[in-house]
Amino acid sequence: EAEVAQSPRYKITEKSQAVAFWCDPISGHATLYWYRQILGQGPELLVQFQDESVVDDSQLPKDRFSAERLKGVDSTLKIQPAELGDSAMYLCASSRAGNEQFFGPGTRLTVL
Amino acid sequence: AQSVAQPEDQVNVAEGNPLTVKCTYSVSGNPYLFWYVQYPNRGLQFLLKYITGDNLVKGSYGFEAEFNKSQTSFHLKKPSALVSDSALYFCAVRAPGAGSYQLTFGKGTKLSVIP
Repeated sequence: EAEVAQSPRYKITEKSQAVAFWCDPISGHATLYWYRQILGQGPELLVQFQDESVVDDSQLPKDRFSAERLKGVDSTLKIQPAELGDSAMYLCASSRAGNEQFFGPGTRLTVL
Repeated sequence: AQSVAQPEDQVNVAEGNPLTVKCTYSVSGNPYLFWYVQYPNRGLQFLLKYITGDNLVKGSYGFEAEFNKSQTSFHLKKPSALVSDSALYFCAVRAPGAGSYQLTFGKGTKLSVIP
């Protein structure tokens, strides 16, 4: 069964450093999402791509976060500089248009 | 703006008993509703969805959910709970239409099935 791949699974960094997360969606899924999940809460959308284009980044903190999906397949989410409040699980998901979203295992980020 | 409420932080049920995890929603238009399950340090797994049609939706692992438009609810149910069902359950809603497919999630309900 096809799955969404994410790396790394865990990342520990110091405040003010740069971090990057990678996601490879299920083959054929044109829509890709990045969510942030703070402990004890549900995921919140950061950015949605349709192919290589950003459809919704209204909740992405653009002063420090950036996301790209250059060839419309895999995607990278970057944080620079990281802050203590960025500690969370970062989840990538993909879907065929507006159908159900399939999530990867996530990247657990700890900022010290 | 759309929102989801899961009124119970935790639900405890004995193995073999029926379980219900509650969800209510608010959205403009006809909702798209979803249930996901999350195991520790894992991503979310899709269980079932309601888009249109029969109000009773059947999903994976014996779970089902009932859509009630008048009560704006979408409660998750299972006739006989298993210990392996113990996990964190999230209800999510999406507004219909094209464009952003953003899912708005509830805060989650921790289900504990007691042997």
